[in-house]
Amino acid sequence: AQSVTQLDSHVSVSEGTPVLLRCNYSSSYSPSLFWYVQHPNKGLQLLLKYTSAATLVKGINGFEAEFKKSETSFHLTKPSAHMSDAAEYFCVVSEGAGYSTLTFGKGTMLLVSP
Amino acid sequence: AAGVIQSPRHLIKEKRETATLKCYPIPRHDTVYWYQQGPGQDPQFLISFYEKMQSDKGSIPDRFSAQQFSDYHSELNMSSLELGDSALYFCASSFGQGALEQFFGPGTRLTVL
Repeated sequence: AQSVTQLDSHVSVSEGTPVLLRCNYSSSYSPSLFWYVQHPNKGLQLLLKYTSAATLVKGINGFEAEFKKSETSFHLTKPSAHMSDAAEYFCVVSEGAGYSTLTFGKGTMLLVSP
Repeated sequence: AAGVIQSPRHLIKEKRETATLKCYPIPRHDTVYWYQQGPGQDPQFLISFYEKMQSDKGSIPDRFSAQQFSDYHSELNMSSLELGDSALYFCASSFGQGALEQFFGPGTRLTVL
């Protein structure tokens, strides 16, 4: 069975400072991992995905994540937060080809202050 | 580029009523997934279809049913609605079963009074 743990329910940063959203996963197989963002009253937008290629994955809006198998982690980072980054972020795992059900983490709300 | 379309975007129903949510996948996508996101919760997988056949089943209540039609659109039918069914219902689509990326629609917000 697959599962995702997002270690922080809320993260607060100031505009222009780095962002770190933590995610640990559990999977019986070689997982695919994703980060989705959800702005208030909006749908889910894919930020980036890891699918067993390069372990450092670059996504949209300056976000990136590093897959670390030894630590079973897939933390999301951004060097400099922008006010528009304020949203809820979901770390998601899928057990890969042939079985594509997504399992979501509980989400991390990112708050960005001026 | 065309995205996943869901209708209606908002729906208000009374307890014990029925509701039908519709999902139109991205053109040429043959797989559809339904998710339920309760207030302050993470999305939970309900059910998926590939080529008009149910491909996987998650935490979908027995009061709910779904199907995928020949044009690949899908409908989620919900009967005997309960207050706890109030949630945001997402549809996602992909090309091919087991595709690595699912494209999400904007969601239908169902409120049960």
